[in-house]
Amino acid sequence: QSVLTQPPSVSAAPGQKVTISCSGSSSNIGNNYVSWYQQLPGTAPKLLIYDNNKRPSGIPDRFSGSKSGTSATLGITGLQTGDEADYYCGTWDSSLSSWVFGGGTKLTVL
Amino acid sequence: QVQLQESGPGLVKPSQTLSLTCTVSGGSISSGGYYWSWIRQHPGKGLEWIGYIYYSGSTYYNPSLKSRVTISVDTSKNQFSLKLSSVTAADTAVYYCARGASNFDYWGQGTLVTVSS
Repeated sequence: QSVLTQPPSVSAAPGQKVTISCSGSSSNIGNNYVSWYQQLPGTAPKLLIYDNNKRPSGIPDRFSGSKSGTSATLGITGLQTGDEADYYCGTWDSSLSSWVFGGGTKLTVL
Repeated sequence: QVQLQESGPGLVKPSQTLSLTCTVSGGSISSGGYYWSWIRQHPGKGLEWIGYIYYSGSTYYNPSLKSRVTISVDTSKNQFSLKLSSVTAADTAVYYCARGASNFDYWGQGTLVTVSS
């Protein structure tokens, strides 16, 4: 059972938009920055979003992040088949004194 | 471009110590400003943070693993290492090294470690 809760799967058609939620508490998301990671099949995770809503160099603006209270959301617009991957949210948990990740969401582009 | 590469045995016997090394290229660990982390992923499961180290040797571990984990750094070789003692089958996972503490911006490709007799 992950400290951060994500939906196990989401799906949408190519060209559409999808959002992935990440729900936590005041000890993690509520008081710390959230980052998002994309893990393509058989590869290492890749940083997509950091500090809630910032994109590293090279990440297209189709990817966006937001945070409100104890929840965070990853948005992906203009879906492409190459976006099919597992997506993880993560943040520091001040009560656990540990980094925590969500359980991951599998994105299917139909 | 910073690159990280894990190395170490792919098979460890139960009760023994798992030892992995991460070699960093394209940047110096001793230049400071970054923590260096170990993260693992059980087969078909999510990510689990193990701990991180600063170039000075200062460490921070996941409380659930703290009693068995040691992370060390060798700035002369631009490497940092993970030791996990008293392993069981539950420690079978892909182990990643990564840069960062507030987020993880560079990752190694990962190495599968299987615990089995």
